[in-house]
Amino acid sequence: GDSVTQMEGPVTLSEEAFLTINCTYTATGYPSLFWYVQYPGEGLQLLLKATKADDKGSNKGFEATYRKETTSFHLEKGSVQVSDSAVYFCAPNNAGNMLTFGGGTRLMVKP
Amino acid sequence: DTGVSQDPRHKITKRGQNVTFRCDPISEHNRLYWYRQTLGQGPEFLTYFQNEAQLEKSRLLSDRFSAERPKGSFSTLEIQRTEQGDSAMYLCASSLGDPTLRGYTFGSGTRLTVV
Repeated sequence: GDSVTQMEGPVTLSEEAFLTINCTYTATGYPSLFWYVQYPGEGLQLLLKATKADDKGSNKGFEATYRKETTSFHLEKGSVQVSDSAVYFCAPNNAGNMLTFGGGTRLMVKP
Repeated sequence: DTGVSQDPRHKITKRGQNVTFRCDPISEHNRLYWYRQTLGQGPEFLTYFQNEAQLEKSRLLSDRFSAERPKGSFSTLEIQRTEQGDSAMYLCASSLGDPTLRGYTFGSGTRLTVV
């Protein structure tokens, strides 16, 4: 079945550091790809998405590019802030019916 | 648009008791999803509805779990004879049709603790 592999956390960075969170997936066909973020004590929020190969999703300084050849959708940010501390989930959609979530990667940003 | 609402936010119950959770999706969304999230893990799919029809159920959904969406609006998730392993955050999400383009909108979840 479909699956998602995310890099294990926690990822601890200093403010203004560069962030990469790796995500690879297996899926039937060419799914849409999503990153969700869960801030402490809150529900999951859609961060960004890409619906076809080579698309780049972006939001709040975060970016991810849909790489069909490597089945990857790595999340990047050039300069993280303390307020970016959260858990990040990669999620491809499964044949248009539902999203399959990775295990999440906790990001901790220190001042 | 008030987002996806879930009630209650927290529920503590004794093992063996039945519990029921409610989810109110965004009003124009015809699809509604239930997920379960345990500490340190990603959400695991349980089931989803399109309008009032339950179209898919995960193998995770044992026969103690039942979900309904009788009028295609709100949904309920019932767990009978709760077990300690049922302790988790139960998440509801909704979408307007296929989530391919827009993904889902999640509620804040119901945290269940079985003692």
